Amino acid sequence: DSGVTQTPKHLITATGQRVTLRCSPRSGDLSVYWYQQSLDQGLQFLIQYYNGEERAKGNILERFSAQQFPDLHSELNLSSLELGDSALYFCASSVDAGGGTGELFFGEGSRLTVL
Amino acid sequence: QKEVEQDPGPLSVPEGAIVSLNCTYSNSAFQYFMWYRQYSRKGPELLMYTYSSGNKEDGRFTAQVDKSSKYISLFIRDSQPSDSATYLCAMNVNTGTASKLTFGTGTRLQVTL
Repeated sequence: DSGVTQTPKHLITATGQRVTLRCSPRSGDLSVYWYQQSLDQGLQFLIQYYNGEERAKGNILERFSAQQFPDLHSELNLSSLELGDSALYFCASSVDAGGGTGELFFGEGSRLTVL
Repeated sequence: QKEVEQDPGPLSVPEGAIVSLNCTYSNSAFQYFMWYRQYSRKGPELLMYTYSSGNKEDGRFTAQVDKSSKYISLFIRDSQPSDSATYLCAMNVNTGTASKLTFGTGTRLQVTL
């Protein structure tokens, strides 16, 4: 158990809809990261927050947004969903922002299926 | 062309075999090199990380980095069925203020009895 909690574990929705994925980081970790994992693209970095502040952005679509709240939990909002958004969404956390050693602690993921 | 290339496999080996997993990369700014292991239906977990060129050993695992060739490897000795998982290489530029790990697509390994 990594200590990172993600909800929901599974989500099935229709095209055009909006969903929110939630993440609670490990106790004491200030950084939260969101990654998307699909079969053809692998694990793709979306966005990083550190203590409530956005620190790095990857190829995150404009239809997607995220935030980190004062209690350090984070939410990833996906809107106007398309079939291609079906993937596993992982949240990870780390103690610091720079991540030099690369030790991110990943949750078990939220599997999103868009029909 | 992807920044990090990794053979997706699958790779099937008998128990006890030596396994070699590899990644190549194109971004010479990468400083930290990691291997993550991902079991089915689980999130990735860090296996090893290295900073400089050379070898780093941890039990049955050896990570090797060759920055001049932009090539990294993970060797698993005496492979066990419990090693069956997907292995992802990952790389990072440490800016001190942000982290953006770039992952390979992963190699699926199956160790058979």
